[in-house]
Amino acid sequence: GEDVEQSLFLSVREGDSSVINCTYTDSSSTYLYWYKQEPGAGLQLLTYIFSNMDMKQDQRLTVLLNKKDKHLSLRIADTQTGDSAIYFCAEIRESNTGKLIFGQGTTLQVKP
Amino acid sequence: EAGVAQSPRYKIIEKRQSVAFWCNPISGHATLYWYQQILGQGPKLLIQFQNNGVVDDSQLPKDRFSAERLKGVDSTLKIQPAKLEDSAVYLCASSLDRLHEQYFGPGTRLTVT
Repeated sequence: GEDVEQSLFLSVREGDSSVINCTYTDSSSTYLYWYKQEPGAGLQLLTYIFSNMDMKQDQRLTVLLNKKDKHLSLRIADTQTGDSAIYFCAEIRESNTGKLIFGQGTTLQVKP
Repeated sequence: EAGVAQSPRYKIIEKRQSVAFWCNPISGHATLYWYQQILGQGPKLLIQFQNNGVVDDSQLPKDRFSAERLKGVDSTLKIQPAKLEDSAVYLCASSLDRLHEQYFGPGTRLTVT
């Protein structure tokens, strides 16, 4: 199937770390992405990881990929109120034309 | 570098009316995508262009939706006639080429009453 699944909601306190999880179904996925969507806005590309990598770090963001379990996670260190948004994981598959298959999004709420 | 531009930002129409959306991708991006995002869901691809040719329109409801990218730059997406279930945000994205990162515009929020 085409399903990419995420938990719907995560609440953390400012300064804590946030971990957003995602599972995907296609083992042939080449790139996996994390996008951020703030209210009324389009999707902002946060980071991506190539399928032959286990981890990628970019400032406060850490992406972990477990290919065996088809599990992807995004860790946000020192979460700030400005990080409150919906986070989407998406996979792009070599076998298709490059279209992104999105999860349903995780709403991150950061409490002061 | 300018991002992906879309207009209008909001549109309210009655069912059975027609509507058109416009997208201007990032300069030099060969691939252009239209996604539909229904409230509470992730975006779903409607159509993908490579330059001015259609690569994937398998999820486009062709009885009512049409899209074109005549000169390989700007694109328009049209709905005629609209149904209530077409209420959604329509997102345009572009990428340098297939399998490159996609950059999204702000979207057009369509409400069909």
